[in-house]
Formats: sequence, structure tokens, C-alpha cells
Amino acid sequence: RKEVEQDPGPFNVPEGATVAFNCTYSNSASQSFFWYRQDCRKEPKLLMSVYSSGNEDGRFTAQLNRASQYISLLIRDSKLSDSATYLCVASGTGGFKTIFGAGTRLFVKA
Amino acid sequence: NAGVTQTPKFQVLKTGQSMTLQCAQDMNHNSMYWYRQDPGMGLRLIYYSASEGTTDKGEVPNGYNVSRLNKREFSLRLESAAPSQTSVYFCASSDRGSTDTQYFGPGTRLTVL
Repeated sequence: RKEVEQDPGPFNVPEGATVAFNCTYSNSASQSFFWYRQDCRKEPKLLMSVYSSGNEDGRFTAQLNRASQYISLLIRDSKLSDSATYLCVASGTGGFKTIFGAGTRLFVKA
Repeated sequence: NAGVTQTPKFQVLKTGQSMTLQCAQDMNHNSMYWYRQDPGMGLRLIYYSASEGTTDKGEVPNGYNVSRLNKREFSLRLESAAPSQTSVYFCASSDRGSTDTQYFGPGTRLTVL
């Protein structure tokens, strides 16, 4: 079992749609959680950090459920420019560092 | 601010050849990382350096060595390249360790024939 697992995708959605990505992590010692965005043949870039209280940044909402070891990302009113791969990340300290999920591909179509 | 820079952008090696991938950051970050990214596997940590003068193995260190030359620079060396090391290599840095946001370089696409 992978330490961070994501929906396999790809997700194909029309512009304006709402789309949700899910992610589970296996290491209960994980302390920090992130969503990164990666465009084709580019480097990953931070989309948002994920907090236990949930956080929102414009059209993007991230949630963390520590009891279920589950992270989610909701994108509302999808834009063509949202087409990318979204990477779920769990990290900690000590012997456990940063684990990336394999990513979920999103295609937003006109 | 250039952020994180990597050289070269592309490289083709023959099996058994050696090479060093260079990485530098100008954000005065303490921690630096080397990852490889393969299709369907996500990013996997090869080595990291929590601070200047320290390095530690990550998830997939075999076949690689690293040097934290100073606070800015962190290099990755392949001593004897193998086809299994064909991948995209990303360097990253963060200010306060692995629980902090990581900033990535543009990557090096390496092919080993």
C-alpha cells in the first residue's frame, strides 16, 4: 500500500463544474499536509497548505480529517487554466520526511 | 530572485557513465532535497539536507551520492548510471525543514541508454 494514495483520475470536467479530489495517508505521525499543482513538464508548485480546521483560497477549499487520515481538495467553478496534475503531500519530522502522492490529473474542457 | 535553479535541463548518458546534477537556491533556505519523478510513481525522495553540513538518505538513495557544498548549493552525483535511473530529477528547498513549503527547481530530464 502506498503511503499517500490519491484518486487515480483523470478527471474530465466542463468549465464551471465543481470537482473534488481525495487523498489518504497511512502514517499517523504525519504533521503537515499540502496540495501542490504540477503543470505538464513543469515543476510542482504549492497550491495550498491543509489545516485541521479546513481552509479556503478563492475557488479552492482543502479539508483534513486526522481521525480518518484523509485529505480533500474542492475546486469550484473550474477554469480551463485549472487543468493540471494535483499532488497530495504528507510530511513529518525525524525519520519520516515528505511523501508525495502519485497525483490526480484534471482536464477542464470548454 | 531566481528561486531554485538546476543544471543541466536535459542529459543523455550511456550506461556506466557518471555525472553530477547541480542545484542552487537564493532564498537562504536551510533545507534542500533531491527527488526523482517517474510515471505513476509520484515524486520520491532520494536524499535531503536538513541544514548546511548534514545529509541523509531518503526513500531511494541507491546509486546516488550528494554533497551540500554550502548553504546555497546541493549536488547529486550518479557514479555509474543505469537505465533504471532514467527519470526527471527535481531539486527543492525549504526554510524550516520538511514540514514547511518546498520550492522546486525546473527539473533535469535524464535518459540513460
